Amino acid sequence: SQKIEQNSEALNIQEGKTATLTCNYTNYSPAYLQWYRQDPGRGPVFLLLIRENEKEKRKERLKVTFDTTLKQSLFHITASQPADSATYLCALAMDSSYKLIFGSGTRLLVRP
Amino acid sequence: NAGVTQTPKFQVLKTGQSMTLQCAQDMNHNSMYWYRQDPGMGLRLIYYSASEGTTDKGEVPNGYNVSRLNKREFSLRLESAAPSQTSVYFCASNGQGSQPQHFGDGTRLSIL
Repeated sequence: SQKIEQNSEALNIQEGKTATLTCNYTNYSPAYLQWYRQDPGRGPVFLLLIRENEKEKRKERLKVTFDTTLKQSLFHITASQPADSATYLCALAMDSSYKLIFGSGTRLLVRP
Repeated sequence: NAGVTQTPKFQVLKTGQSMTLQCAQDMNHNSMYWYRQDPGMGLRLIYYSASEGTTDKGEVPNGYNVSRLNKREFSLRLESAAPSQTSVYFCASNGQGSQPQHFGDGTRLSIL
């Protein structure tokens, strides 16, 4: 079955630096991949979606890449701010169906 | 501008008790979902409803039932609660399968 791996260790970076989070998957390439942000005690909030035929997507300070050869997606936050501190979840779908498979998330801490 | 509303926010049950978690969305979305989130694990899909009048099992449906009451509301029922069902439960909705999902802020359920 399809599995997603996100680094369970927190990523600790200095304000102003670029944060890079990794999402690796096994087996088949997903039809699309989504990234969500989750704050403590809150539900996930959608950030970006990238499809299997796209290499890169950008939105303001956020960038997502999708490498089907490496079976990996990278999520970048440029010019990071303390307000970016949260847990970031990767989710993939094998087709346009309704079932998303979520990773366990990576916690990002941005130090002022 | 409520989005997805879940009630209750917190609940403590004894083993064997029953409980219904409520979810309502005001975005006119066709599809609704129930997930559980446990420490160190990703969100796992319990049940989903692709459209009003339909429901389907997700990854971890055992011990749960659902009802899509109308387009707005999707409830999750635990008939006989077990300690293994202690978790945070999230409801989500979207227009259709591949679109981003909008989440509520969760119900924190403890079963003693």
